[in-house]
Parts: sequence; C-alpha cells; structure tokens
Amino acid sequence: KAGVTQTPRYLIKTRGQQVTLSCSPISGHRSVSWYQQTPGQGLQFLFEYFSETQRNKGNFPGRFSGRQFSNSRSEMNVSTLELGDSALYLCASSWEVGTQYFGPGTRLLVL
Amino acid sequence: GENVEQHPSTLSVQEGDSAVIKCTYSDSASNYFPWYKQELGKGPQLIIDIRSNVGEKKDQRIAVTLNKTAKHFSLHITETQPEDSAVYFCANYFLSGSARQLTFGSGTQLTVLP
Repeated sequence: KAGVTQTPRYLIKTRGQQVTLSCSPISGHRSVSWYQQTPGQGLQFLFEYFSETQRNKGNFPGRFSGRQFSNSRSEMNVSTLELGDSALYLCASSWEVGTQYFGPGTRLLVL
Repeated sequence: GENVEQHPSTLSVQEGDSAVIKCTYSDSASNYFPWYKQELGKGPQLIIDIRSNVGEKKDQRIAVTLNKTAKHFSLHITETQPEDSAVYFCANYFLSGSARQLTFGSGTQLTVLP
C-alpha cells in the first residue's frame, strides 16, 4: 500500500498570504489528522476529519481550517499568514480510531 | 489539558548499549500508547505501540512497557546501532470532548555513537 502523501513538500510565502496544503491518506483510511511541528512547541494537534466531518479540533485560531473530500483526501488552509506559522505541517491517517500513520510533511516558511 | 512528559530530551549512548526513554501521562482514561521515530527531513514513523490491557510488548530490539498504576510507559532499545539515531516521540490518546486526541511528548534526540 502506498503511504500518506503530502503536497507540496516545501513552500515559501509572505506574511498576509494564505496557503493550502494537501494530504492523501493511505487507501481505505477514513480519518485524517493534521499536526503542526515547530522546534519550540513540538507536535501540536490541529484537527481531525472523519468521513468529511471535523471530528476533533485543537487549540489553534480560526485562521487554520481544513476539509475532507469524499475520497478521504484532505486539505488544510491557513489564511493571513504570520511569521509564527512557519513550521512542518504533518498529516496522519488512520482507519477509524487508532494507529496513525504520518506523511513526510510540508515545510512552510513565512517571510 | 492533557500533558505527556517525556525524558530525557537528549540521550547519547555507545553503539551496542541500551537506551531507555520514559513518558508519564495524566489522563487515566488513556488506553493507547504509540512510539514514533522521526529522522531528519521525514515524518514520524510508528515503531511500536501498546494498549492498556498489556504491560509489555516486544519487537526484536525494541520493547515498550506500561505501568497504568503509575501512569508511565517506557521505550527500550537494546543493542543500539547508528541507524537508531533519531528523535523519538511518545504519545497517548486522551478524550477531548467526545473524541479522542493523540497527544505527543516533547521528543528525545537519541544519538548512537559508533
């Protein structure tokens, strides 16, 4: 089985712009979770989608949003980018609830 | 909120020695405890996990132990090799509202010296 894929792998944006990241889960997995990883804060949970519905949400501002499509692919969007949004954004998929498998991440740099 | 404490933050061992990383958690409802290995430039990779109905699980050179009474779990790597060098994260599930949320420790940078 192919693993979790994320696109793009690297991204450079400027403050105030918005960005959309994409995640394709492992075939058959219906849950997709997003995490932000930074050296200072570590791995922090953003949100989880299951069957096109947001099932859980972390403690991030409303500038961070996401969605899931009927084929389980997911996107996350960050609007009005700030310097502090520079991070590695990780997507993880699981069958329903349980073991999560991570993608390689998207490295976002905000200038 | 839920917190997972992980120690140590850095660990250096000689090749062939053992490495132990420990995590403590606070939510007694947690029932799933995975460990991830993250190499430079890659996403975290699941290396072993344990559920609350068992106290120990082994997979070749890697083992995880769980003490539910004390609310701590540990990763044990024996006969370490240079390719074991990476950042290791513990995690556990805790309830957030009606859903379960995976919470990670702060990570341990393991360096295996040849």
